[in-house]
Amino acid sequence: EPEVTQTPSHQVTQMGQEVILRCVPISNHLYFYWYRQILGQKVEFLVSFYNNEISEKSEIFDDQFSVERPDGSNFTLKIRSTKLEDSAMYFCASSEGMTPRQREQYFGPGTRLTVT
Amino acid sequence: AQSVTQLDSHVSVSEGTPVLLRCNYSSSYSPSLFWYVQHPNKGLQLLLKYTSAATLVKGINGFEAEFKKSETSFHLTKPSAHMSDAAEYFCVVSPYSSASKIIFGSGTRLSIRP
Repeated sequence: EPEVTQTPSHQVTQMGQEVILRCVPISNHLYFYWYRQILGQKVEFLVSFYNNEISEKSEIFDDQFSVERPDGSNFTLKIRSTKLEDSAMYFCASSEGMTPRQREQYFGPGTRLTVT
Repeated sequence: AQSVTQLDSHVSVSEGTPVLLRCNYSSSYSPSLFWYVQHPNKGLQLLLKYTSAATLVKGINGFEAEFKKSETSFHLTKPSAHMSDAAEYFCVVSPYSSASKIIFGSGTRLSIRP
């Protein structure tokens, strides 16, 4: 069964450093998403991406965040200058389309980001 | 604004007994509702979804949920718990007003006693 993959599974970085989290969505999916879950808190929406541009973003997704689909398979989340509060589990998801049947989002296993 | 409230942060049941995980939603329009499960160190897996068809929705692993508009509820049930059901369960709403994002509840951790 097709699945969303994410690399790395765990990333440790120092405050102020840039990190790139990578995701490979399901191949025929058109919509891509990033979510994060700070330890002990809710899963929060960050951003959605369609047709090579951001379609929706949350208040969390400020100027230090960016997303990109650099080729036909990868979808990346970049954090330019990490802060301690960016430590969280980051989930990538993809969906086929926007009809009720297609809106199901398939999630990857997550990348645990630890900022020290 | 759309939201979901999971009424229990932790539920513990004995193996072989019924499971009930409660979820209430708030939405101005008829929403799409989902239940996801997260096993330790695993990604989020869709259990079932409601998208305005049948109000009783059957999912994987014997789970089902009933959409009750009058009670604004979408509780998750299973007749007989199995040890492998131990996980975190999230009730999720896909707002009518949003083309893409989904909103998670705070999660319910399900423990199964032997």
